[in-house]
Amino acid sequence: GQQLNQSPQSMFIQEGEDVSMNCTSSSIFNTWLWYKQDPGEGPVLLIALYKAGELTSNGRLTAQFGITRKDSFLNISASIPSDVGIYFCVAVDDSWGKLQFGAGTQVVVTP
Amino acid sequence: DSGVTQTPKHLITATGQRVTLRCSPRSGDLSVYWYQQSLDQGLQFLIQYYNGEERAKGNILERFSAQQFPDLHSELNLSSLELGDSALYFCASSQGGWGNTEAFFGQGTRLTVV
Repeated sequence: GQQLNQSPQSMFIQEGEDVSMNCTSSSIFNTWLWYKQDPGEGPVLLIALYKAGELTSNGRLTAQFGITRKDSFLNISASIPSDVGIYFCVAVDDSWGKLQFGAGTQVVVTP
Repeated sequence: DSGVTQTPKHLITATGQRVTLRCSPRSGDLSVYWYQQSLDQGLQFLIQYYNGEERAKGNILERFSAQQFPDLHSELNLSSLELGDSALYFCASSQGGWGNTEAFFGQGTRLTVV
């Protein structure tokens, strides 16, 4: 079946550094979503992408919908301690909105 | 606050028992999803409903079942519980349909089977 490959699995960075993560697939998707999950909490939607090539920002977060529609990228600039958490990419492949989650990227920010 | 309400927040029960988890979607959302997240694991898709009908099924055990009611709230039933069923169970909702697939998650129900 379809699978999303999200990398890296984890990142340990210093405060102020930029973070980049990505998701790739062998299949084409119509929508890419990026979520952040804090421990014990539900995932929170960060950015939604609906067009190939689309670049969207939300504060220090920037995400792109790959031109081939098979990948997406998330960048966090000038990381701060509250950026700690697990970031999930989600791909949507049909009109009913079936969500496919990546395995997640755990981000740890040290002062 | 995502607008998705899950109850209860915590549940402790014994092996072999049956429990029901409840989810109220955001107002206007027709799609409801259920996910299971075990300790330090990713989100495992269980099942999706759209306007009362099952739309997609993931790795949902036969001991588990779900339904979406006419008022669009959903229930996930877990029976013959095993220790390994201990996990966080999340519900999410979206409007559904093309271009309306942004899903919003509830706070989850933490199930502990002892």
